[in-house]
Amino acid sequence: LAKTTQPISMDSYEGQEVNITCSHNNIATNDYITWYQQFPSQGPRFIIQGYKTKVTNEVASLFIPADRKSSTLSLPRVSLSDTAVYYCLVGAPYSSASKIIFGSGTRLSIRP
Amino acid sequence: DTGVSQDPRHKITKRGQNVTFRCDPISEHNRLYWYRQTLGQGPEFLTYFQNEAQLEKSRLLSDRFSAERPKGSFSTLEIQRTEQGDSAMYLCASSLEARDTDTQYFGPGTRLTVL
Repeated sequence: LAKTTQPISMDSYEGQEVNITCSHNNIATNDYITWYQQFPSQGPRFIIQGYKTKVTNEVASLFIPADRKSSTLSLPRVSLSDTAVYYCLVGAPYSSASKIIFGSGTRLSIRP
Repeated sequence: DTGVSQDPRHKITKRGQNVTFRCDPISEHNRLYWYRQTLGQGPEFLTYFQNEAQLEKSRLLSDRFSAERPKGSFSTLEIQRTEQGDSAMYLCASSLEARDTDTQYFGPGTRLTVL
């Protein structure tokens, strides 16, 4: 199973850039890296997905080094509304659904 | 709103009762997943459908749990003889089978409280 390791929690301030790193040492060749955001009492929300190098969308960037054994989610200029739990997942589109493991995520707290 | 919907949002029941939850996926999505999430933990996979076929079931899914997806559209998750340990958020997600990605879109969840 492609297990991931993330920090349990992180704190930052409004306007700062936040980087959350995820380790996935046994990532498989066909695995993609996906990040989700979850607010209390809501389902997880897809943020970004990538396979290698860098991916950027309107809310975040995802940096993946050449060995793909880790990835970093970058949130530019965070606001209070970015306070949430962030999950890093690895998995391949046609692999077993049960192999996609959310883990406990990173609890990000943004302060004024 | 064309996202994933779940009903009910909250359910309180007494131990031993049966409960049923419904999930309506995004209309063109052929894959549907059920997860369970307890406080402070990430979602745990329960079961997965591709169209109407239930392809995978987790060991977490005891014989008191059953899921169906008739006609490959909405899905139901039934828990029989509920126990206090069943109290959790039950999440449904759907995805569209694609060549190189399988992004899951989640519903708001059904929070079950077993008294």
